[in-house]
Amino acid sequence: AQKVTQAQTEISVVEKEDVTLDCVYETRDTTYYLFWYKQPPSGELVFLIRRNSFDEQNEISGRYSWNFQKSTSSFNFTITASQVVDSAVYFCALSDSQGGSEKLVFGKGTKLTVNP
Amino acid sequence: EPEVTQTPSHQVTQMGQEVILRCVPISNHLYFYWYRQILGQKVEFLVSFYNNEISEKSEIFDDQFSVERPDGSNFTLKIRSTKLEDSAMYFCASSGQGFRGQPQHFGDGTRLSIL
Repeated sequence: AQKVTQAQTEISVVEKEDVTLDCVYETRDTTYYLFWYKQPPSGELVFLIRRNSFDEQNEISGRYSWNFQKSTSSFNFTITASQVVDSAVYFCALSDSQGGSEKLVFGKGTKLTVNP
Repeated sequence: EPEVTQTPSHQVTQMGQEVILRCVPISNHLYFYWYRQILGQKVEFLVSFYNNEISEKSEIFDDQFSVERPDGSNFTLKIRSTKLEDSAMYFCASSGQGFRGQPQHFGDGTRLSIL
């Protein structure tokens, strides 16, 4: 069965600290896709990154970086030098071929609060 | 940048009434989805739609729910007889064609409040 676990419910940091959000997933498929979405206080869901199961290269985009490790089924997200605007709920999600469509299975989210 | 748009942003309805939530996906996208998020909880899949038919639905998507693409642009979710537990944020999403694993782009959501 597909499952995404985000064990950290809430994290609070002070501005400029680095913070890592954990994501562990389960799937029977060998081909799958992992995503991170940001949900700011205004409520919309903003796509951040997609990673396929065959590409284990880590990715960096500005202050954001992602560490994908198939051996531990993890897809962690690090924000370097956090800013107040990073305060949001962050969701990790999985898509595979089970069920007939590419639906997203979301984790419960991690609420990040960055204090000035 | 193209967006998914949802209307209304907030809908208040009496229990037992029918409600229709509307979405305009990104114009060249072919795959459409509805998700819901009960306040403070995770985002849950409801239904996926492709080529004018449902390709997958969750256990939540029972006989009270239906989806339709009445024309080339709109994608609607209907709840026939609303219950208190239908109160949630409903998100529409769409993704393009081509290779698998394309990111889904979400609308801003419709907050549905059942009284």
